[in-house]
Amino acid sequence: GQSLEQPSEVTAVEGAIVQINCTYQTSGFYGLSWYQQHDGGAPTFLSYNALDGLEETGRFSSFLSRSDSYGYLLLQELQMKDSASYFCAVRASRDDKIIFGKGTRLHILP
Amino acid sequence: DAEITQSPRHKITETGRQVTLACHQTWNHNNMFWYRQDLGHGLRLIHYSYGVQDTNKGEVSDGYSVSRSNTEDLPLTLESAASSQTSVYFCASRQDSNTEAFFGQGTRLTVV
Repeated sequence: GQSLEQPSEVTAVEGAIVQINCTYQTSGFYGLSWYQQHDGGAPTFLSYNALDGLEETGRFSSFLSRSDSYGYLLLQELQMKDSASYFCAVRASRDDKIIFGKGTRLHILP
Repeated sequence: DAEITQSPRHKITETGRQVTLACHQTWNHNNMFWYRQDLGHGLRLIHYSYGVQDTNKGEVSDGYSVSRSNTEDLPLTLESAASSQTSVYFCASRQDSNTEAFFGQGTRLTVV
């Protein structure tokens, strides 16, 4: 089977840094994406890693290690508006089928 | 601005009825997807399409069907609605496998 594991909940303090991990077991691997979803809203794209290393976009960074089947999303200078669920997603085959993790709910304390 | 829209936003239907959820995108994207989202399960793929007349089954396709008669639309049909299909349904599109996916605002479906 194919699976993605990420923590169900993470809590952090406003202004701090938080890391959300994702490990995957899939039959193939072509890239790891991260999406953010606020309550009642639609998922929105944050980042995509196809190769090993760190990708930085403003306060958000995403890391991938294909040899470890592992990636993480790093959020810096946390703001209250970052309170949301974060999903990792793997493109596991040559076609465009994407498998999502169950999501990590990020709680931010003032 | 280009967008992806779903309708209706909320729907209540009875068990056994046929229901169709609409998805329309104006990006001219080839790839379109339907997901359902349930507590504890994240987003699960129902069906997807790579272009006109192309449809493929996802991991939870039983009881659902789609058709792609043009680039813009991918309607999702529940042939005979069941209470287990009560969920939030999201449609998404993207141009190819290396670009971001854009999601619609979702349809909350309740089967009673």
